[in-house]
Amino acid sequence: EVQLVESGGGLVQPGGSLRLSCSASGFIFRNYAMHWVRQAPGRGLECLSAISTNGGSTDYADSVRGRFTISRDNSRETLYLQMTSLRAEDTAVYYCVRVGAAGANYFDYWGQGNLVTVSS
Amino acid sequence: DIVLTQSPDSLAVSLGERATINCKSSQSVLYSSNNKNYLAWYQQKPGQAPKLLFYWASTRESGVPDRFSGSGSGTHFTLTISSLQAEDVAVYYCQQYYSTPFTFGPGTKVDIK
Repeated sequence: EVQLVESGGGLVQPGGSLRLSCSASGFIFRNYAMHWVRQAPGRGLECLSAISTNGGSTDYADSVRGRFTISRDNSRETLYLQMTSLRAEDTAVYYCVRVGAAGANYFDYWGQGNLVTVSS
Repeated sequence: DIVLTQSPDSLAVSLGERATINCKSSQSVLYSSNNKNYLAWYQQKPGQAPKLLFYWASTRESGVPDRFSGSGSGTHFTLTISSLQAEDVAVYYCQQYYSTPFTFGPGTKVDIK
């Protein structure tokens, strides 16, 4: 069974940093590109960042470029999102998601979500 | 960026009746080289993560009941629930994966009348 389990969220002050982790199991992690998607309270979904299978290629939404860094450790089957210079508008549930197929960035598995609250 | 709009914003349908959700893209998401529409549909129930329903606009994900169907091409797409069940109460989102940044529609909330 495919599972994506996020951790590392919580309350952080504006300007602070946080690292989210996503532990994958039930599939060959190194074979799949991965993304982070977030959802602000009561709002829609926003694709934040993507990483290729070997980590050599990454992409970011304009809203987080230069502040967030996506990475992965295929030996640990874990995806990461390092978040810095956090703002109130970064408050959201953050989802780790798996790409459904090579070259097709629909998301067939989602983590349970991890709430990040940026507030003083 | 490709902008997706959905209509209606919300709808209430009687149990057993049809529910239709529309998704319109600001530009075509049909890739001519493979004749595939780079559009997906998701269902999000309260307090849960989104769940994939369809990809390539009309390919049903494994386990999705056949009362759900996806259709459309180019810039206009439709998600239909042929006979609404209580467990279908949710927000439904379309998503384009034709070009970055990949974007979602604003969602359509489906309730029971």
